[in-house]
Amino acid sequence: ETGVTQSPTHLIKTRGQQVTLRCSSQSGHNTVSWYQQALGQGPQFIFQYYREEENGRGNFPPRFSGLQFPNYSSELNVNALELDDSALYLCASTPPRGNTEAFFGQGTRLTVV
Amino acid sequence: RKEVEQDPGPFNVPEGATVAFNCTYSNSASQSFFWYRQDCRKEPKLLMSVYSSGNEDGRFTAQLNRASQYISLLIRDSKLSDSATYLCVVPSNQAGTALIFGKGTTLSVSS
Repeated sequence: ETGVTQSPTHLIKTRGQQVTLRCSSQSGHNTVSWYQQALGQGPQFIFQYYREEENGRGNFPPRFSGLQFPNYSSELNVNALELDDSALYLCASTPPRGNTEAFFGQGTRLTVV
Repeated sequence: RKEVEQDPGPFNVPEGATVAFNCTYSNSASQSFFWYRQDCRKEPKLLMSVYSSGNEDGRFTAQLNRASQYISLLIRDSKLSDSATYLCVVPSNQAGTALIFGKGTTLSVSS
C-alpha cells in the first residue's frame, strides 16, 4: 500500500450539486496533486498543492477548487457538478525532493446523474 | 503534437510473447520519464523510471531516444499477470511535480 488514502471510495451525486473529496498524503510528503481520470483516458492533472498553497493548475474551470491543510492532507471541491465530471479522482503525494515517484491513493469514483 | 502520445492498443498476446509499447512526448526539455501500470479500476503504480538512455528491471526494459523524443517499454516472456494498462508519463514543465499521462495502452495476455 502507498500510504495515501482517499475518501469516499464511491460517490453518486446529482447534476448541479457540490462534492468534496478528501486525501491523506503519505507521511513526510508535503506535495499533493489531484487528477481526474475519465473512462478510457489517462489521468488529467487538475492542480497541485505545496505547503498549503496552490502550486500549479491544469486546464480545469474554477468550479474545481482545493485546499491543503497543515498536516498536508487535502480536499478537492467541485461545484455545480456536470455529467462529464463523472470520473475516477486520484490523489497523489510526492516527497519533498521533487521529480520522483508519485504515490497514488486508490481513488474516488464519482458518478454524476 | 500532444504532450504525451501512446500506441492506441489494445495488445492481445499469448503467454511468453515479447511485446513493445511506444510513446512520444513533446517537451524536449524533459529530463525524466516514467512508465506506470494501472490494473482495472485501480490506481496507477510506478513500473519504471527512466532518467538516461534506458532502464532494465527483470523482464521489463525501458528505452529513451531523446533525439526522437521517444520512449519505449519492452516486456519479455509475458505473463498472465502482466495484463493491465500501461501509462507513459512525463513530468509537467508547468507545475512542480505534476505529471502528464498518456492515454495508456492496454495489454491482455492469454494462456
